[in-house]
Amino acid sequence: NAGVMQNPRHLVRRRGQEARLRCSPMKGHSHVYWYRQLPEEGLKFMVYLQKENIIDESGMPKERFSAEFPKEGPSILRIQQVVRGDSAAYFCASSRSGLAVSYEQYFGPGTRLTVT
Amino acid sequence: ELKVEQNPLFLSMQEGKNYTIYCNYSTTSDRLYWYRQDPGKSLESLFVLLSNGAVKQEGRLMASLDTKARLSTLHITAAVHDLSATYFCAVAFYTGTASKLTFGTGTRLQVTL
Repeated sequence: NAGVMQNPRHLVRRRGQEARLRCSPMKGHSHVYWYRQLPEEGLKFMVYLQKENIIDESGMPKERFSAEFPKEGPSILRIQQVVRGDSAAYFCASSRSGLAVSYEQYFGPGTRLTVT
Repeated sequence: ELKVEQNPLFLSMQEGKNYTIYCNYSTTSDRLYWYRQDPGKSLESLFVLLSNGAVKQEGRLMASLDTKARLSTLHITAAVHDLSATYFCAVAFYTGTASKLTFGTGTRLQVTL
């Protein structure tokens, strides 16, 4: 009964490099959410995806950030040309459905990105 | 835009004492979560509160929800060191396309001997 899996758990990138964060939802879940947690802050919603569709990306920065959830494989959060301000913990959550508030989101262990 | 405010932001308390963390939110919602986060770790779900007047208890923690006042409380009874962590409330809000969680800023609890 594996939970939400994220990898890598820790990622170090130099400024200007690309970061790829992966999330495999819980078995039976087809909805994925990405959240970002800056140091000493709460989690902030970034994007909500279903298989092959971005449903809500209202929390994504307009540039350099993208997300996908392909038909096969994990969801990917991609950050191009990283800057120091991207250093944060990125959490993925999955749910059985996103169509109502009644479906609880289950969180993965997070990926801690450090930009040097 | 939904706003969720927690207070206090930082709480240092002695073992054995009682205290309450408050979570206010700005828009109607019928589902509120409390999470615990240890340093460098993910979020552990503590409580899901579904309706006005809901009260849930687990060990030394008790959570309540007043949807009319848009207020939830997390009460700590006879604190022990193991409760030291950061506690977040999060409000679920359905936008028509997605059910999003909006988190409070967190309350860092430090229980001292």
